[in-house]
Amino acid sequence: ETAVFQTPNYHVTQVGNEVSFNCKQTLGHDTMYWYKQDSKKLLKIMFSYNNKQLIVNETVPRRFSPQSSDKAHLNLRIKSVEPEDSAVYLCASSRTSNSDYTFGSGTRLLVI
Amino acid sequence: AQKVTQTQTSISVVEKTTVTMDCVYETRDSSYFLFWYKQTASGEIVFLIRQDSYKKENATVGHYSLNFQKPKSSIGLIITATQIEDSAVYFCAMREGGSWQLIFGSGTQLTVMP
Repeated sequence: ETAVFQTPNYHVTQVGNEVSFNCKQTLGHDTMYWYKQDSKKLLKIMFSYNNKQLIVNETVPRRFSPQSSDKAHLNLRIKSVEPEDSAVYLCASSRTSNSDYTFGSGTRLLVI
Repeated sequence: AQKVTQTQTSISVVEKTTVTMDCVYETRDSSYFLFWYKQTASGEIVFLIRQDSYKKENATVGHYSLNFQKPKSSIGLIITATQIEDSAVYFCAMREGGSWQLIFGSGTQLTVMP
C-alpha cells in the first residue's frame, strides 16, 4: 500500500515535555510537509522538506524542529511543549512542488 | 502575500441536488495553482480537483467541477448530484508559482441530508 503514514495517532503529554511524531511516505514523492490544524480546523503550514532543503515557516516557534533521514521520512520534534501546541499535526507529501498533496491521517496532540 | 478566503462557514443541502462552494484568493503572481480538498469526519484529507491559472477551461473530475473566474480571483467548487457521503469540510487552497507554501482557506462544512 502506498500512502503517507503517521504515528502515533494520538498523544497526551504534560507541559514542558518533549514529543516526537513520525511520518513516512511510500509514494516516491520528492517533497514532504508538516501542517498544524487547530481546533477551528485552520490549516497552517509549518515546514517543507525537499532534496535535503528545509524551508521553515518563520511564524513557527523554535521549539518545533523537523528531522529527516531521507526523502521518505520527515519527523517532527517539539521540545518543551506548551498548551497552545494542542492540535492535529498533519504530514503530507507531493511528487513535485506544484503537485497535489497526499496527507497522512494526522497525529492529535493534547498538552495538559 | 497570498491569501485564500472561504466565506461560507457551513452549507446544508438535500441529497441529489447541486451545491456550489465559494473561494476567493489574493495573489500578485501571474502563475498560480488552485486546489480543493475534502476532510471527512474521520479527519482524512483528500485531494479533489485542481485548476492551474494558465488554463482557461474549467476543470472537471467526476461529479466535481470548478467555476474559475480569473478576473474575480474566484474558484468555486461545484458538486452535482450530491450524496450523503459528500458531507465533509471542503478546503480551497492556493500555491503561487514561486512560493513553497500551499495556503488553505478556512473551510466550508457541507452537510448533505436525505
